[in-house]
Amino acid sequence: DAGVIQSPRHEVTEMGQEVTLRCKPISGHNSLFWYRQTMMRGLELLIYFNNNVPIDDSGMPEDRFSAKMPNASFSTLKIQPSEPRDSAVYFCASSTQGSTEAFFGQGTRLTVV
Amino acid sequence: SQQGEEDPQALSIQEGENATMNCSYKTSINNLQWYRQNSGRGLVHLILIRSNEREKHSGRLRVTLDTSKKSSSLLITASRAADTASYFCATGALSGGGADGLTFGKGTHLIIQP
Repeated sequence: DAGVIQSPRHEVTEMGQEVTLRCKPISGHNSLFWYRQTMMRGLELLIYFNNNVPIDDSGMPEDRFSAKMPNASFSTLKIQPSEPRDSAVYFCASSTQGSTEAFFGQGTRLTVV
Repeated sequence: SQQGEEDPQALSIQEGENATMNCSYKTSINNLQWYRQNSGRGLVHLILIRSNEREKHSGRLRVTLDTSKKSSSLLITASRAADTASYFCATGALSGGGADGLTFGKGTHLIIQP
């Protein structure tokens, strides 16, 4: 298995633009997590899905952030409009529900200028 | 909010020495996990210890858990230059039992000097 696949690996965008981050979880995994990592705040859980259903989005910082999981093999995290303080590395992770190990993608490094 | 807090924030030792990192957490947990992150990469799961376990080994890794003190330690024995990375503890919620809502600390950055 190729593992969790995220795209793009790097994204540079101007303030105010819409940004869409993509994630393909490991086949057969039915839990998916979006995390954000910064030097100041460390690794923060933004939202997670079980069986394509959002379970907890309390970590989503603002209404500018939204996440979808239209099917078991694809999820998106959208920021609209983007701001410089959104600059961070965004990680997607997946697991088998009930499992205790999360498998992480390589991350998307987002820079908003 | 951060559940686990690692200590120290940074650690530099000579190759061959043992490295010890600590983690403290605040609420009741079902399990505690340690992950490793190489620069520019995603996190990789190292080891898990359940709340009813006190010690666990995996290769050169040794993890302890003290639920009365809400703390855990990760020991890497006979360190190698390739062990240079950031190490994170993560706690699994008591109600969940799975990977649901894993919360991470800010990590310990370990540097192994050759």
